Amino acid sequence: DAGVTQSPTHLIKTRGQQVTLRCSPKSGHDTVSWYQQALGQGPQFIFQYYEEEERQRGNFPDRFSGHQFPNYSSELNVNALLLGDSALYLCASSLARDRGGETQYFGPGTRLLVL
Amino acid sequence: QKEVEQNSGPLSVPEGAIASLNCTYSDRVSQSFFWYRQYSGKSPELIMSIYSNGDKEDGRFTAQLNKASQYVSLLIRDSQPSDSATYLCAVRTNAGKSTFGDGTTLTVKP
Repeated sequence: DAGVTQSPTHLIKTRGQQVTLRCSPKSGHDTVSWYQQALGQGPQFIFQYYEEEERQRGNFPDRFSGHQFPNYSSELNVNALLLGDSALYLCASSLARDRGGETQYFGPGTRLLVL
Repeated sequence: QKEVEQNSGPLSVPEGAIASLNCTYSDRVSQSFFWYRQYSGKSPELIMSIYSNGDKEDGRFTAQLNKASQYVSLLIRDSQPSDSATYLCAVRTNAGKSTFGDGTTLTVKP
């Protein structure tokens, strides 16, 4: 049973550049959520995708955008990178019809460093 | 006030002792509650979920929920050095958004 996978594992960019992060959900899951985790803080909710549409969004600027594909995989795009965007980006997958309250399982994360 | 509050710690307990981790939340419509463990440099790993008031036990772990007090806790019995990690409390509303606390760092000393 394949778990959540993310790519790349590490990434270094410079200010102003754009980045795309990728996520494949756990087998059987249809919902993908993205989180940003700065050092010493808990994960901050960016947005959630279900049925190829953004279902929920946290307090992140429009520079953060995403997409979900028919196979449920997802991308997170960040434009005009700022130094403050340096963080661990986590993808979590879940099953929308999970009677257990949409338990989320996290991928290994992508560590982004903006110089 | 943060939506989900946890003591940052660090919390230090001797091996074999009970570790008690606490979490309070502000949104009364919260329906689902989760505890995750995160080792340094790794992603969060689900330990427990709880949805109803009372206790839920799974091996050495017990989650306790009190919706009236907006409080959820995690007890770790017979703590082991391998339990040393940051423990994250997460709260979810029916709308689907999950809010995390900043975590409590636990150190179990041999």
